[in-house]
Amino acid sequence: GQQLNQSPQSMFIQEGEDVSMNCTSSSIFNTWLWYKQDPGEGPVLLIALYKAGELTSNGRLTAQFGITRKDSFLNISASIPSDVGIYFCAGPGGTSYGKLTFGQGTILTVHP
Amino acid sequence: SAVISQKPSRDICQRGTSLTIQCQVDSQVTMMFWYRQQPGQSLTLIATANQGSEATYESGFVIDKFPISRPNLTFSTLTVSNMSPEDSSIYLCSGAGTGVHEQFFGPGTRLTVL
Repeated sequence: GQQLNQSPQSMFIQEGEDVSMNCTSSSIFNTWLWYKQDPGEGPVLLIALYKAGELTSNGRLTAQFGITRKDSFLNISASIPSDVGIYFCAGPGGTSYGKLTFGQGTILTVHP
Repeated sequence: SAVISQKPSRDICQRGTSLTIQCQVDSQVTMMFWYRQQPGQSLTLIATANQGSEATYESGFVIDKFPISRPNLTFSTLTVSNMSPEDSSIYLCSGAGTGVHEQFFGPGTRLTVL
């Protein structure tokens, strides 16, 4: 099956710093999704990407759909304490309609 | 986006018993899914809940252990049967509408089996 490799696995940063994480796939995707999960909650969709090369922003978050269609990047600018959580990339999980495959997640810790 | 609720939010159960988790969506969705997640780890898809028909299970998951119902477009249940401590996990449901890959998640059910 399709696999997503997400890196880094964890990040420890100071408030105000910028953050960058990425996700690579073993096969071509036509959709990339980025989710954030707070402790004790379900994942929340941050950004959805549908076109190679697409760059989309949501506040301080910016995500890009890689030209090769096998990777995606998420950047967070000027991090704040509430950015703490686990960030997951996701893409279509094979031929079955609607299924998603998730990356391993990046655990973000922001020190005030 | 749809708002999804789950009941119960958490439970502690004895080995050998069964627990049914309910998932309610505030609007009709095309697809509903059930996932399992160990704390701090990624999500593993259990099955796709199909309205009015048997769920579609992923490799490693079977209907006898995880029976699923979906009687309409806004509601689904997952039962964890004959539980063992290895079933301790977070169980999440999700729904997707016209943006079929844009899944929205419930808050999860944290299950502990003693």
